[in-house]
Amino acid sequence: EIVLTQSPGTLSLSPGERATLSCRASQSVSSTYLAWYQQKPGQAPRLLIYGASSRATGIPDRFSGSGSGTDFTLTISRLEPEDFAVYYCQHYVSPPPTFGGGTKVEIK
Amino acid sequence: EVQLLESGGGLVQPGGSLRLSCAASRFTFSSYAMSWVRQAPGKGLEWVSVIGGSGDTTYYADSVKGRFTISRDNSKNTLYLQMNSLRAEDTAVYYCAKHMVTGYWYFGLWGRGTLITVSS
Repeated sequence: EIVLTQSPGTLSLSPGERATLSCRASQSVSSTYLAWYQQKPGQAPRLLIYGASSRATGIPDRFSGSGSGTDFTLTISRLEPEDFAVYYCQHYVSPPPTFGGGTKVEIK
Repeated sequence: EVQLLESGGGLVQPGGSLRLSCAASRFTFSSYAMSWVRQAPGKGLEWVSVIGGSGDTTYYADSVKGRFTISRDNSKNTLYLQMNSLRAEDTAVYYCAKHMVTGYWYFGLWGRGTLITVSS
């Protein structure tokens, strides 16, 4: 089973700042099989990025994904108030798909 | 609007059973694999089970294998999760989720979730 480790656990930033979230896999993951989700309190997760770098429908272009092998990054270029949430990476190379532990982006 | 709506959650005693349902609307349900994903209170996401579009292929997380059964009724556009021998550690919000592309297990549509509490 592939383990995904997200860092940092919490990121304290101000609106307008750049957020850089990391996801590290315990073994190499094809970039085809890496996704990112956003979750706000009391809501279901929302797909942001699939295939490591492709934005899902309706996702603003301030969200971007990159990486390959074991290291992947989600970047939010300029934080908007609605971006403060928890973010999860997920691999889907093979069953079981697993999620990282999440990074909380909070208002500083 | 394309949506998923779970139901069937509630309080159940350890060792008990519960069946969750997920009603799909406004997409061709039978064309998509569907998964259940759960989230324990204050914790992260855990994939539980998947079923193929025709219902012929299923996989389970080791944590629920032998206790949970996923199924679907494409004539009713409904996904199910039969949960038996429930344990305290099964307490979570259970989400149904639609796979976006055949063969790729990422989830582009999620329901609002239904809470299962296993407690005496």
